[in-house]
Amino acid sequence: AQSVTQLDSQVPVFEEAPVELRCNYSSSVSVYLFWYVQYPNQGLQLLLKYLSGSTLVKGINGFEAEFNKSQTSFHLRKPSVHISDTAEYFCAVSDRSGNTPLVFGKGTRLSVIA
Amino acid sequence: DAGVTQSPTHLIKTRGQQVTLRCSPKSGHDTVSWYQQALGQGPQFIFQYYEEEERQRGNFPDRFSGHQFPNYSSELNVNALLLGDSALYLCASSLIRKNYGYTFGSGTRLTVV
Repeated sequence: AQSVTQLDSQVPVFEEAPVELRCNYSSSVSVYLFWYVQYPNQGLQLLLKYLSGSTLVKGINGFEAEFNKSQTSFHLRKPSVHISDTAEYFCAVSDRSGNTPLVFGKGTRLSVIA
Repeated sequence: DAGVTQSPTHLIKTRGQQVTLRCSPKSGHDTVSWYQQALGQGPQFIFQYYEEEERQRGNFPDRFSGHQFPNYSSELNVNALLLGDSALYLCASSLIRKNYGYTFGSGTRLTVV
């Protein structure tokens, strides 16, 4: 079984500052990794995913994440945040075989301050 | 391109009642998964349907049941509602052979009073 730990429940950051949202996972098998964003009263939108290949993954809205197998991490970064990035961010993992479902962390609330 | 459609968007039910939520998957997808997202929490997996059968199930009681129709759409049924069932219910569709391409709907907000 897989599990995901998002180390920060809330991250406040000033506009145009960089941000990193941390995610660690646990799995005994090879995995796919995902970051989703959820705006208030909405569903989940995929930001980016790691399937294979380059460990640096670029996503939408200027976000990127780096897969680190040795540290079992998949941290999300953005060099300069905007007010519109204020949202809940979820890290998720699934095993490559498809035998287990998508498992989510508890989320990180990013608040961008003007 | 129609994504995942869920209905209704909101509903309010009384304890003990039964509720049915509906989901139409993204065009071309054959698998539907349901998630429960309580306030301030991450989504929790309820179950997944493929070929009209429950393929996987999370740690939810039998009060939660589902169905998938030949056109791949799906229903989530919850019986004997409890206050704790109040949550956002998310439907995600995918292709069974590509378990990395989930598309989520906007959810149904269920309030139990």
